[in-house]
Amino acid sequence: EIVMTQSPATLPVSPGERATLSCRASQSVGSDLAWYQQRPGQAPRLLIYGASTRATGIPARFSGSGSGTDFTLTISSLQSEDFAVYYCQQYNNWPPYTFGQGTKLEIK
Amino acid sequence: QVQLQESGPGLVKPSQTLSLTCTVSGGSISSSTYYWSWIRQPVGTGPEWIGRVFLSVNSHYNPSLKSRATMSVDRSKNQFSLRLSSVTAEDTAVYYCARGVDYIDQTGTRYDYLDVWGKGTTVTVSS
Repeated sequence: EIVMTQSPATLPVSPGERATLSCRASQSVGSDLAWYQQRPGQAPRLLIYGASTRATGIPARFSGSGSGTDFTLTISSLQSEDFAVYYCQQYNNWPPYTFGQGTKLEIK
Repeated sequence: QVQLQESGPGLVKPSQTLSLTCTVSGGSISSSTYYWSWIRQPVGTGPEWIGRVFLSVNSHYNPSLKSRATMSVDRSKNQFSLRLSSVTAEDTAVYYCARGVDYIDQTGTRYDYLDVWGKGTTVTVSS
């Protein structure tokens, strides 16, 4: 099973600033990585797949990069609705698909 | 606009079987474009993938569940279901159903993601 490790666990950022979230896979997953956003009390929402392709309706301030074992989600200018928990998930080697433990973006 | 809605008991006794149903509206569960998944999330942790089913003929499960999970599709009701046997307190979680997309584009690149999720239902395992 591929283990996904996200860092940091919590990231304090001010609105309008840039946020950079990291995700590392225990072995190469190529570009087979997705990012999800989860707001309190809601289901996860797809942001990015293929490591860098934005899902339908996702604003351009969200961007993904990386391949192999190291990936980054960047939010260029944080809006109030972006403060949430973000999860990475690999789909290269399954079953099972595996998620990271999440990075919580909080207001600084 | 496709929507998914989970339903089922919120409380299950230890050693019993957890049964949940996901009703799909706004689209057909028989579409060959999509597969259907269950994911769960204990409080304070990341999501855990349970399994996926495609057109009732192809299903895969998380090996960590040790064959306790079974998924099925009811095309007549546009629903799919999850049964998880021999539950323990460790199975307490919010359970989500989701629609998945798994395809290979013209460049040969495979994409696989969960693009529509239900709101989730809380299941507690307790006597």
